[in-house]
Amino acid sequence: GENVEQHPSTLSVQEGDSAVIKCTYSDSASNYFPWYKQELGKRPQLIIDIRSNVGEKKDQRIAVTLNKTAKHFSLHITETQPEDSAVYFCAASISNDMRFGAGTRLTVKP
Amino acid sequence: DAGVIQSPRHEVTEMGQEVTLRCKPISGHNSLFWYRQTMMRGLELLIYFNNNVPIDDSGMPEDRFSAKMPNASFSTLKIQPSEPRDSAVYFCASSLTGGPRNEQFFGPGTRLTVL
Repeated sequence: GENVEQHPSTLSVQEGDSAVIKCTYSDSASNYFPWYKQELGKRPQLIIDIRSNVGEKKDQRIAVTLNKTAKHFSLHITETQPEDSAVYFCAASISNDMRFGAGTRLTVKP
Repeated sequence: DAGVIQSPRHEVTEMGQEVTLRCKPISGHNSLFWYRQTMMRGLELLIYFNNNVPIDDSGMPEDRFSAKMPNASFSTLKIQPSEPRDSAVYFCASSLTGGPRNEQFFGPGTRLTVL
């Protein structure tokens, strides 16, 4: 089955700096790659996603890139703010079978 | 829409007791997922249903766990008998398969503590 690895497990940046989180997946058939943000004590919520026929997608301060050949995808957050502090999960999906990475705890220091 | 609804939000029980977690998906969604989240193992897919039919239950840890979806608006996850290692947050999520994206919407979760 699909295996998703996510790095780093923790990331601390200064407010205003950029943050990058990277994931790799194992199954070349995966075709949907969402990113979820989970604040402490709350549910995971989708922040951005990308399909396998697209290489890059941007939404304001966040962007995701996908390299199908290398089977890796990344989340980029620019101009980080303290409210970006949370745990971020990547996932790879074939149809409904979605597998999550282990998560990255991002801390943005004011 | 109220989103995915889960109950109870918190459950504290003693080892050996039966636990039933409930989920109501978003109206119109045809896929439903049960996840377990722990610090050690992260977010694990336990089972998912498509059109009320269980498609993949390979993530169910053992026979003590069972899930049902008797209709499109209700699902249960049952643990019998419960053990302390089952303590976790259990999330239900739903999605519309076949739509432009496979976005899964998560419920608020049930925090289960087994003493």
